[in-house]
Amino acid sequence: EVQLVESGGGLVQPGGSLRLSCAASGFTVSSNYMSWVRQAPRKGLEWVSVIYSGGGTNYADSVKGRFTISRDSSKNTLYLQMNSLRPEDTAVYYCARGRSTGWYGDDWGQGTLVTVSS
Amino acid sequence: DIVMTQSPATLSVSPGERATLSCRASQSVSSNLAWYQQKPGQAPRLLIFGASTRATGIPARFSGSGSGTEFTLTISSLQSEDFAVYYCQQYNNWPPYSFGQGTKLEIK
Repeated sequence: EVQLVESGGGLVQPGGSLRLSCAASGFTVSSNYMSWVRQAPRKGLEWVSVIYSGGGTNYADSVKGRFTISRDSSKNTLYLQMNSLRPEDTAVYYCARGRSTGWYGDDWGQGTLVTVSS
Repeated sequence: DIVMTQSPATLSVSPGERATLSCRASQSVSSNLAWYQQKPGQAPRLLIFGASTRATGIPARFSGSGSGTEFTLTISSLQSEDFAVYYCQQYNNWPPYSFGQGTKLEIK
């Protein structure tokens, strides 16, 4: 059974940093296309970043240069390092697995809330 | 970047009736279009990929159609558990992978 469990969210001040984790089971993270998608309070879905099976990455313009996606094969875990956080980064962050070139989310975690506020 | 526009923003339908949700892309995305369902407090769930292929475990009352720039999600006979927010997402021209703003399907 595929399972994705996010952690690492919390309250952080503007300009601060946070690292989100997404522990996967039932499949191999490094063999799939893994994305982070966020949802601001009472808003829609916004794709944030993807890491492909080959290791390539892409980012939304809104986070480029501030966020870094990575994975640890030994832990079968996906990460999102978030620096220079802004109030507009406040959202529930979901990790999601895709299995094809051109990502769409086959399986999703339950999300972790990040609040950026002073 | 491709902009995805969903209509209507809110759709009120009675249980047992048919619901038709629309999604338009600002340029062609071929058939590289997915639909998701999201209920309050839950993660999105994949319903349709490739514009018309149901994901594993999705009931046959859900169907997708369209290609290019115009897409439709149809729910043939609404059940109580179908009232939720629905999102479309293109994966043809990326990055970014763009979502529509969502359609809220509510009970009439």
